Amino acid sequence: AQSVSQHNHHVILSEAASLELGCNYSYGGTVNLFWYVQYPGQHLQLLLKYFSGDPLVKGIKGFEAEFIKSKFSFNLRKPSVQWSDTAEYFCAVNAPGGTDKLIFGTGTRLQVFP
Amino acid sequence: DAGVIQSPRHEVTEMGQEVTLRCKPISGHDYLFWYRQTMMRGLELLIYFNNNVPIDDSGMPEDRFSAKMPNASFSTLKIQPSEPRDSAVYFCASSSRTGGQETQYFGPGTRLLVL
Repeated sequence: AQSVSQHNHHVILSEAASLELGCNYSYGGTVNLFWYVQYPGQHLQLLLKYFSGDPLVKGIKGFEAEFIKSKFSFNLRKPSVQWSDTAEYFCAVNAPGGTDKLIFGTGTRLQVFP
Repeated sequence: DAGVIQSPRHEVTEMGQEVTLRCKPISGHDYLFWYRQTMMRGLELLIYFNNNVPIDDSGMPEDRFSAKMPNASFSTLKIQPSEPRDSAVYFCASSSRTGGQETQYFGPGTRLLVL
């Protein structure tokens, strides 16, 4: 069965610090990968996604993620965080052509202090 | 597009009452998902539909929960009778599978409090 692991449960950074959130998945075949962001009190919004092609994916608000197939990883990065990036970040995976379910990680809570 | 629409946005009810949550998916989307989010359990998939047909309801916690999708533009999630442990945020999401590239879009959620 597919699963997603987010090892960083809570990350605290100062503004302008660099960010990297880990995401590893377990599935042997082709996958679609997603990062969603949930700002306090709001719904999940798509940050970026990977289906195929260039493994370095750029999303909204300066975020990017790199798909490394050999490591089963899809880590999220941002070179310089802002206070407004304070939110919870969810990694998710599904298998194209297979089950339609998105498998979510447990989420990483990011707090950015001015 | 207006996005996924959910109503009500907030619901406060007493234990034992029936609760009905509503969702309107994005027009043209043929998949609809119901999720529940709590601090303790995170984000859980309850049930999803494809072309109005329930495909997987293995996440529905108990018989007190039921979901329907009578047409392509409307779905309900009903809890009867409700219990305090059902307090959570319930999200609806929809998607369309195009060439295997399916992206789920989430609604604003219904924040349910059962007293």
